[in-house]
Amino acid sequence: EPEVTQTPSHQVTQMGQEVILRCVPISNHLYFYWYRQILGQKVEFLVSFYNNEISEKSEIFDDQFSVERPDGSNFTLKIRSTKLEDSAMYFCASSYGTGLEKLFFGSGTQLSVL
Amino acid sequence: AQSVTQPDIHITVSEGASLELRCNYSYGATPYLFWYVQSPGQGLQLLLKYFSGDTLVQGIKGFEAEFKRSQSSFNLRKPSVHWSDAAEYFCAVGATNTGFQKLVFGTGTRLLVSP
Repeated sequence: EPEVTQTPSHQVTQMGQEVILRCVPISNHLYFYWYRQILGQKVEFLVSFYNNEISEKSEIFDDQFSVERPDGSNFTLKIRSTKLEDSAMYFCASSYGTGLEKLFFGSGTQLSVL
Repeated sequence: AQSVTQPDIHITVSEGASLELRCNYSYGATPYLFWYVQSPGQGLQLLLKYFSGDTLVQGIKGFEAEFKRSQSSFNLRKPSVHWSDAAEYFCAVGATNTGFQKLVFGTGTRLLVSP
């Protein structure tokens, strides 16, 4: 079965540093998403992306965050200046259409900000 | 706003025993409801979903869930748990804002299976 892959699986960074989380969505998918889960809390929607632009973003997704699909296969989440509270598991997801029934998630990147 | 409550943070079940994980949702219209499972080091895997029709839905790995509108619930069940079912289980509701759909998750229930 096709899968969404995320790299790295774990990333440690210093507060204030920039970090880029990478995702390779399923090849024929058109819609891309980032969710995150702070330890012990809910999985939260961050952003959705379609046709090279953001479709929707949550209140969490402030100016420190950006997303990009630089080359037609990768989908990245950049955090410009990390804060301690950015420590979380970040999940990438993709789907062919907007229907939630065909949403595939990656295994996540655990980001630790020290 | 849409929300999901999973009241049990941890549940321990003996192998072979039955399982029920609780989920309550808050949503104004007919909800799209989901159960996902996350095994250690794995992504979120869809177990089953409810969109409409029969309120008892069957999923993968022998799981089922029943949508009860009167109770705003979508509890997950399995008649006989296997040790490999130990994982984190997330209930989610599909939310539509600005015409675009996203998932709103509960906090999850960690299932432990004892021998």
